[in-house]
Amino acid sequence: DAKTTQPTSMDCAEGRAANLPCNHSTISGNEYVYWYRQIHSQGPQYIIHGLKNNETNEMASLIITEDRKSSTLILPHATLRDTAVYYCIVRLQRGMDSSYKLIFGSGTRLLVRP
Amino acid sequence: NAGVTQTPKFRVLKTGQSMTLLCAQDMNHEYMYWYRQDPGMGLRLIHYSVGEGTTAKGEVPDGYNVSRLKKQNFLLGLESAAPSQTSVYFCASSRDRGIYGYTFGSGTRLTVV
Repeated sequence: DAKTTQPTSMDCAEGRAANLPCNHSTISGNEYVYWYRQIHSQGPQYIIHGLKNNETNEMASLIITEDRKSSTLILPHATLRDTAVYYCIVRLQRGMDSSYKLIFGSGTRLLVRP
Repeated sequence: NAGVTQTPKFRVLKTGQSMTLLCAQDMNHEYMYWYRQDPGMGLRLIHYSVGEGTTAKGEVPDGYNVSRLKKQNFLLGLESAAPSQTSVYFCASSRDRGIYGYTFGSGTRLTVV
């Protein structure tokens, strides 16, 4: 699976959009981009995933650049409850046995300020 | 709707003792996983299972064994606990190789003294 690079920490004001970047310059054509978050002491929570098109769900939007070497997770109106560590992960959907694995890096610690 | 349930939530072991962590899911998921998380680090995969009766090694399998005798349960065993196994353990399950995401349990905090 491709390696990802994320900033160690970020902050934003409550009610504003939080834009979390992720670089995955070695991503291959059939690898998807996934985002999870982990609120303090809880298990990780799936947020969103995509291949090459932008995606949106009730939690967030995912913008993937045309060359797919980077992406941005957008929380449109951040709340205090969005304070968490956000993980960007790339992985295969099919193929070898290793595609089942979800490999976590260190993530970005997002602090939402009142 | 329970999702993924881990027991126990907390445990303190002495070096050399053994224990089993239980993970149960009620979503009829085929795939189940055990991760550990150490302070300030991301999650690391210990073992995983792609169906009842199957298990496979992840990134950090040494010192752990697993069993998947029933589809809904995935057990993680420590035969002889070591202080290096002090960690928070998370279990997860997924449908269809996790294409639409994994569901994680709330974790087991294990301390080995």
